[in-house]
Amino acid sequence: TQLLEQSPQFLSIQEGENLTVYCNSSSVFSSLQWYRQEPGEGPVLLVTVVTGGEVKKLKRLTFQFGDARKDSSLHITAAQPGDTGLYLCAGGGSSNTGKLIFGQGTTLQVKP
Amino acid sequence: ETGVTQSPTHLIKTRGQQVTLRCSSQSGHNTVSWYQQALGQGPQFIFQYYREEENGRGNFPPRFSGLQFPNYSSELNVNALELDDSALYLCASSLKPDSNYGYTFGSGTRLTVV
Repeated sequence: TQLLEQSPQFLSIQEGENLTVYCNSSSVFSSLQWYRQEPGEGPVLLVTVVTGGEVKKLKRLTFQFGDARKDSSLHITAAQPGDTGLYLCAGGGSSNTGKLIFGQGTTLQVKP
Repeated sequence: ETGVTQSPTHLIKTRGQQVTLRCSSQSGHNTVSWYQQALGQGPQFIFQYYREEENGRGNFPPRFSGLQFPNYSSELNVNALELDDSALYLCASSLKPDSNYGYTFGSGTRLTVV
């Protein structure tokens, strides 16, 4: 059974601080996606990484896919209150079934 | 372009009843996937529909069933509702069935079973 474990589960920081969220597995994934979800809404795709060692930047967010394609990290620089939300990592498989394996999520609160 | 729309947004049902949830995919998307998200958890894959056929299923019992229509909209049906079925049900559409391309999710249907 493929599992993704995210850490930390909860994070409360002050505006301007940096943070890193980790997503780890013992399984290899074809891709790793990061989503952000706000209360009462569905997840919104932030990025997809598909190559081991790949790094992608989206403004103040930096995403990295591990060399062995088993883990990923999300780093936010100078967090803002608008970054508050639930961050979910999701692993895509090699079969063409559309099944994504989601982590349990990291709840981020950025205080002004 | 319109995104993914789901209806209803909230629903309360009694244990043992049946429920139908609906989803309209994003324009141009021919693939719809359904996920169940319990409170405080990440979404879990229920099944996917591609060109009106089921294309993969997660670890959910047969009382969870679905349909996809020629316009690519979809329904999720749950029979014999149990208390543990209380969750946010998310519909996601995509251009291809391959999970590696990422999905556009709807806002979900919050189902409460009492």
